[in-house]
Amino acid sequence: GAVVSQHPSRVICKSGTSVKIECRSLDFQATTMFWYRQFPKKSLMLMATSNEGSKATYEQGVEKDKFLINHASLTLSTLTVTSAHPEDSSFYICSARVAGYNEQFFGPGTRLTVL
Amino acid sequence: GIQVEQSPPDLILQEGANSTLRCNFSDSVNNLQWFHQNPWGQLINLFYIPSGTKQNGRLSATTVATERYSLLYISSSQTTDSGVYFCAVGGTSGSRLTFGEGTQLTVNP
Repeated sequence: GAVVSQHPSRVICKSGTSVKIECRSLDFQATTMFWYRQFPKKSLMLMATSNEGSKATYEQGVEKDKFLINHASLTLSTLTVTSAHPEDSSFYICSARVAGYNEQFFGPGTRLTVL
Repeated sequence: GIQVEQSPPDLILQEGANSTLRCNFSDSVNNLQWFHQNPWGQLINLFYIPSGTKQNGRLSATTVATERYSLLYISSSQTTDSGVYFCAVGGTSGSRLTFGEGTQLTVNP
C-alpha cells in the first residue's frame, strides 16, 4: 500500500516552454501533497504544500507564478513549471499523506532538463 | 525552523560490516522518517519512527525524542545497501518535513 506515482519520469524541453508534472496517490486518498526539488548531490528542499481543494502554500523564495500547483482531487496534484529556463533543470519529487497521519510517501521523481 | 544534522556525511564499508548513521534535530518532532535514495532517485521509506525502536530485517532504528536524535543501524551490509540515506523530521507546528543533508554510503564487495 501507500504508492505514489509521478509522470513523466523524465522530460526534456526547450527554454520558454511550460511543463506539467503529475503526482498521483494510487491506493489512498491524499489530503495533503508536497512538492520537493533536489539538485545533484544535494538534499531535498520543500517547494510547496498543497491541500485538496485549496491554494498551495509556497516556501519562502519559491515563485508561485513560476511553479503552479493544483490539487484538484484527493489522488492528483500537478506541478506546472511555466516558461522554463535552464536553471529550472532539476529533480522534482512529490509526496503525499493522509489526513490525521504524519508519515509521507514519496513518488519516484521527475527529472526535468531545460535546453 | 527545525534544523537537521546527519553524520557521517560519507561512509565506506566492506560487505558484511555493520554501521550506524546518526540524525540530530533541534526541536520537538511529531514525524521522523528514514529513507534510502536509490541510484534512480527513488526515495524508499525505511522507517517512520518519531520515537522508540523498530526493526526490519538487517535494518533497525531508534529515536530518542527527549534527546533529539535518531540512529539507523545497518547490519551485515550488502553492496545493494549503497546509496544516500536521508533523515527527515516534521516539527509539532505543521506537516512539513525538513531533510538532513544525507549520508552517502558505499559498500564495497
